[in-house]
Amino acid sequence: EAQVTQNPRYLITVTGKKLTVTCSQNMNHEYMSWYRQDPGLGLRQIYYSMNVEVTDKGDVPEGYKVSRKEKRNFPLILESPSPNQTSLYFCASSLSNGETQYFGPGTRLLVL
Amino acid sequence: SQQGEEDPQALSIQEGENATMNCSYKTSINNLQWYRQNSGRGLVHLILIRSNEREKHSGRLRVTLDTSKKSSSLLITASRAADTASYFCATDWGGYALNFGKGTSLLVTP
Repeated sequence: EAQVTQNPRYLITVTGKKLTVTCSQNMNHEYMSWYRQDPGLGLRQIYYSMNVEVTDKGDVPEGYKVSRKEKRNFPLILESPSPNQTSLYFCASSLSNGETQYFGPGTRLLVL
Repeated sequence: SQQGEEDPQALSIQEGENATMNCSYKTSINNLQWYRQNSGRGLVHLILIRSNEREKHSGRLRVTLDTSKKSSSLLITASRAADTASYFCATDWGGYALNFGKGTSLLVTP
């Protein structure tokens, strides 16, 4: 089944404790992206990747890192999480940057 | 960013009625897409309409695109309770990403 998976689905952590949210897709998509969704602010892009080893900042990249060592995986790293990073995070992939995006189920993060 | 904006922000109708939501955007686009999100879940793609298309259908969904007015509409006919969700438009303006609006929250009551 074609899908985008994210782990973990729920995470409660404390300020400053490094964490990684994994994202994997099995559709051989070149483009992958991370979004955060906050009430009243809609979906905002954090980082995106056009292909392996090609990543770039989206609209809200501060406090986040990503890597794209393999085509299928695009982890999101929070080196020192802060409470303002409490949010619902989505990974998405597509054949190219303007085409239909396939979303993961989301990761709900609470930073205390 | 060149965000699309959905209108209305919230819509409440009864089962069987039609639901119409609109999206306006600011710059020229390659395509416009509509997504649905059930509460707290991932977005699901509904339909993509390209800039040279004016109307597209998929089941009970009808999407129109007016590039001269920079607007699109999504019509859901004969709504069901299962259509209750948030609906987002997203525009491909030729940049590095789709730009999503803040969504229309649709409530369909039995």
